[in-house]
Amino acid sequence: RKEVEQDPGPFNVPEGATVAFNCTYSNSASQSFFWYRQDCRKEPKLLMSVYSSGNEDGRFTAQLNRASQYISLLIRDSKLSDSATYLCVVDSSYKLIFGSGTRLLVRP
Amino acid sequence: SAVISQKPSRDICQRGTSLTIQCQVDSQVTMMFWYRQQPGQSLTLIATANQGSEATYESGFVIDKFPISRPNLTFSTLTVSNMSPEDSSIYLCSADPGLAGRTDTQYFGPGTRLTVL
Repeated sequence: RKEVEQDPGPFNVPEGATVAFNCTYSNSASQSFFWYRQDCRKEPKLLMSVYSSGNEDGRFTAQLNRASQYISLLIRDSKLSDSATYLCVVDSSYKLIFGSGTRLLVRP
Repeated sequence: SAVISQKPSRDICQRGTSLTIQCQVDSQVTMMFWYRQQPGQSLTLIATANQGSEATYESGFVIDKFPISRPNLTFSTLTVSNMSPEDSSIYLCSADPGLAGRTDTQYFGPGTRLTVL
């Protein structure tokens, strides 16, 4: 079993739609959780950290469920510029483990 | 945060040769990392490079193949030695911006796209 699992997608949604991505992780001792965004042929960029209480940054909401070892990212009012691959990232034994990413395509 | 630059941005190399990739951070950081990303796949950690100590390699990666230097708190190099076509990949360096300790946040350089013929 992979340490971090994500649905690869692609999720193909119209502009303005709400889309949610899920991620599960296997190490119950993990303490830090992140969502990164990676555009085609670019490096990953930190989108947001994920806190136990859930956190929001504009149109983006991240939630963590420790009991189920599950992380989610919700994007509201999707923009064309949101098209990218979203990487779920979890710390494990003092290093970060990257999921394989979920690809989002936002169409006009 | 940290701003990271890498060079070269891309290279095409002959098998059997070696390439050294440089990574520069705009601030002092304790922990730097080297990753590989194969086309269409996620990032795989090669090694962690802390200043003043030997790099720590992940399973499947060895120092003879991927020697790493970390001469100071803002700079690191990764060498891909005796290259074969299987080494064709994007190599990314990253840094945890914490100086006194880990923050677990990492910022990435733009990557080096390597093609081995």
